[in-house]
Order: sequence, then structure tokens, then C-alpha cells
Amino acid sequence: RKEVEQDPGPFNVPEGATVAFNCTYSNSASQSFFWYRQDCRKEPKLLMSVYSSGNEDGRFTAQLNRASQYISLLIRDSKLSDSATYLCVVKGLNFNKFYFGSGTKLNVKP
Amino acid sequence: NAGVTQTPKFQVLKTGQSMTLQCAQDMNHNSMYWYRQDPGMGLRLIYYSASEGTTDKGEVPNGYNVSRLNKREFSLRLESAAPSQTSVYFCASSVGGPADTQYFGPGTRLTVL
Repeated sequence: RKEVEQDPGPFNVPEGATVAFNCTYSNSASQSFFWYRQDCRKEPKLLMSVYSSGNEDGRFTAQLNRASQYISLLIRDSKLSDSATYLCVVKGLNFNKFYFGSGTKLNVKP
Repeated sequence: NAGVTQTPKFQVLKTGQSMTLQCAQDMNHNSMYWYRQDPGMGLRLIYYSASEGTTDKGEVPNGYNVSRLNKREFSLRLESAAPSQTSVYFCASSVGGPADTQYFGPGTRLTVL
């Protein structure tokens, strides 16, 4: 079983739409959680960390559900520039190891 | 600050050739990592170095060796390249500890013929 699983998509949405991604993780002892964004043929870049209380950064909201072992990312008022692959990342008990999901592809259409 | 830099950006090798991918970071980070990314597979950890002087195997270490030359530099060597090693290679670094995050270099696109 993979450490982190994501729906690969693609999610095709119109500009202005709200879209949500989920990701599940297998190790209940995981400590830290993140969403990264990766543009085509570029390196992953940190989008936001995910905290137990949930956190928001502008149009982006991340939530963590430890009981069900899933993380979510909500994007409101989608922009064309949001088109990218979104990677769910989990850090385990070994603080030096990060586990990446395969990514969810988002296409925002005009 | 340049962040994490990688050289070369592109490389084509013939089967059996060797090469070293270079990575350097100027953020005074303790931990450094090498990943490969293949279509549909996500990022897979090859090796990591928790601190200067230490290295550990990741998920897919076979066919690779690493050297943590100093705190700044972490190199990845392919001794005898195989077509299965065609991939995009990313180096990353992090401070270390429970709540830190990784920062990635721009990647090296390697093709083995």
C-alpha cells in the first residue's frame, strides 16, 4: 500500500469554480502535512503546510482529518494560473523522510 | 540566495556510461535529498543525508551512489547508466526536524539511450 494516495485527475474546471482535492495517508503516526504545487516540467514548490486546526491562505484552504487519515485542499475562485499538479506530502516519524503522493492534475479553463 | 542549484540541467548518456549529478544549497540546511520523478509514479526518494557526514538509502537506491561532500553539497552518481534510469532527478534540502519543509532544485532531465 502506498504511503500517500491521491486521485490523479485531471480535474477540469471553469475559471471561478471551487475545486477540492483529497489525499489519504497510511501511517497514523505521521507528523506533518503539506501541499506542494508542481508546474509542468518544473520543481515542486511549497503551497502550504496543513495544521490540525485547518488553515487558510487567500483562496486556498487546507484541512487535516487525523481520525480518517486524510488531508484536503480547497481552491476557491479558480484562476487560469492555478492549473498545475498538486502534490500531497506527509512527513513521518522519521523526520527526515517525506512521502509524496503522485499528484492531482488541475486544469482551469477560460 | 540561489536556494538549491543543480547541474547539469539536461544530460544524455549511453548505456554503461557514468556521470555525477551535482547539487548545492546555500540555506544552511542540515538535510539533503535526491528524488527521481517518472510519469505516473510521483517523487521517489533515492538517497538522503540527514546531516553532514551521513547518508541513508531511500526507496529506490539501486544503481546509485551519493556523497555528502560538505554541508552545502550532495552529489548523486550513476556508475553504469541503464535506460531504466531515464528520469527527472530533483535535489531538495530542508532544515531538519518535525515541522520543516523541503525546498527543491530545478531538476536534471536525464536520458539514457
